[in-house]
Amino acid sequence: GENVEQHPSTLSVQEGDSAVIKCTYSDSASNYFPWYKQELGKRPQLIIDIRSNVGEKKDQRIAVTLNKTAKHFSLHITETQPEDSAVYFCAASPTYNFNKFYFGSGTKLNVKP
Amino acid sequence: DGGITQSPKYLFRKEGQNVTLSCEQNLNHDAMYWYRQDPGQGLRLIYYSHIVNDFQKGDIAEGYSVSREKKESFPLTVTSAQKNPTAFYLCASSSVVEHSGGPQYFGPGTRLTVL
Repeated sequence: GENVEQHPSTLSVQEGDSAVIKCTYSDSASNYFPWYKQELGKRPQLIIDIRSNVGEKKDQRIAVTLNKTAKHFSLHITETQPEDSAVYFCAASPTYNFNKFYFGSGTKLNVKP
Repeated sequence: DGGITQSPKYLFRKEGQNVTLSCEQNLNHDAMYWYRQDPGQGLRLIYYSHIVNDFQKGDIAEGYSVSREKKESFPLTVTSAQKNPTAFYLCASSSVVEHSGGPQYFGPGTRLTVL
């Protein structure tokens, strides 16, 4: 089955700096890669996703890149703000498993004002 | 995710009791999922269902049971066989398109505590 690894587990940046979170996956059949943001005590919220036929996707200050050959994908947040502080999860979904997600272990991002 | 609800928000269980967590969605999604989240940890899949009257075990199904009698509803029962059930339980749903993934949308969660 699929295995997703996520790094780093914690990340502390100064407000206005950029943050990068990286995930690797093992199954070449994975074709959908979402990113979720979870604030303390709340539900995970989808912030951006990418499919395997696309190399990069942007939405304002957030971008995701995908390297299928190396089997890794990354979340980039520019001009970080204190409200970006949360736990971020990546996931991979193989084509054969009807949208079962394999989640990374999470990255706790702390943006210092 | 506004169309997926969970109840109750908080639930307390005595040792030896079974309790049932409710999950309802009005998004017309075919697939529904249950996850468990322990403090400071990631999401672990308990059960999932792609269609009514069918469901599959996830990674940590022992001590849990589910049913899927209606498309809109996917209740989770935490049985007395689950020795350490204190956790945050999240339900999710998604449209299923064969061979193509899509977002899962999460409910607000139920926080279960064993007394």
